[in-house]
Amino acid sequence: GAGVSQSPSNKVTEKGKDVELRCDPISGHTALYWYRQRLGQGLEFLIYFQGNSAPDKSGLPSDRFSAERTGESVSTLTIQRTQQEDSAVYLCASSGGGSSYEQYFGPGTRLTVT
Amino acid sequence: GDSVTQMEGPVTLSEEAFLTINCTYTATGYPSLFWYVQYPGEGLQLLLKATKADDKGSNKGFEATYRKETTSFHLEKGSVQVSDSAVYFCALAGGGSNYKLTFGKGTLLTVNP
Repeated sequence: GAGVSQSPSNKVTEKGKDVELRCDPISGHTALYWYRQRLGQGLEFLIYFQGNSAPDKSGLPSDRFSAERTGESVSTLTIQRTQQEDSAVYLCASSGGGSSYEQYFGPGTRLTVT
Repeated sequence: GDSVTQMEGPVTLSEEAFLTINCTYTATGYPSLFWYVQYPGEGLQLLLKATKADDKGSNKGFEATYRKETTSFHLEKGSVQVSDSAVYFCALAGGGSNYKLTFGKGTLLTVNP
């Protein structure tokens, strides 16, 4: 079946602009995660959605970052007033939720802020 | 909070050499442990996992054993191939991290023919 998909694959934007990144999880997966991977670093957790529960936003680095998810489908990560330090690969993952910790990752969106 | 420490790279080996990438963790409770791999130009893929103490995860000739007494989950392969060249990430979930994955910084492995 189809895996996790993300769009766009690459995004170049000017400092101060807003960007929207999209994630389509694996069908039937109730849990969805966003991570950020900066150059030469490990992955940093940003936000987690599980079904209809309130999302865990504890990893969002500032109030310029927000994310939404429609039911158990598509999610969008929005970064407002982008800064150069926001340049990174943004990865989305989904899982069956509950005690299933196995997460499946999308190919990522490479964001470059100039 | 939970954390993962893995050996810093880069690691460069000749084909058929033995590979070890060390990984240790700090966590409350009983986390599940994972190795993820990122091949050049590709997304992150789950390589293997172990969900409880003394479990051994294995895949594609790679192995790692969950050692609770030493809080370690070292990755090993007896004979590496050029196609194993990639970045390897150790990670944990569960325990104090609950559902989210906590990753190490990654180890770049280059295998030369």
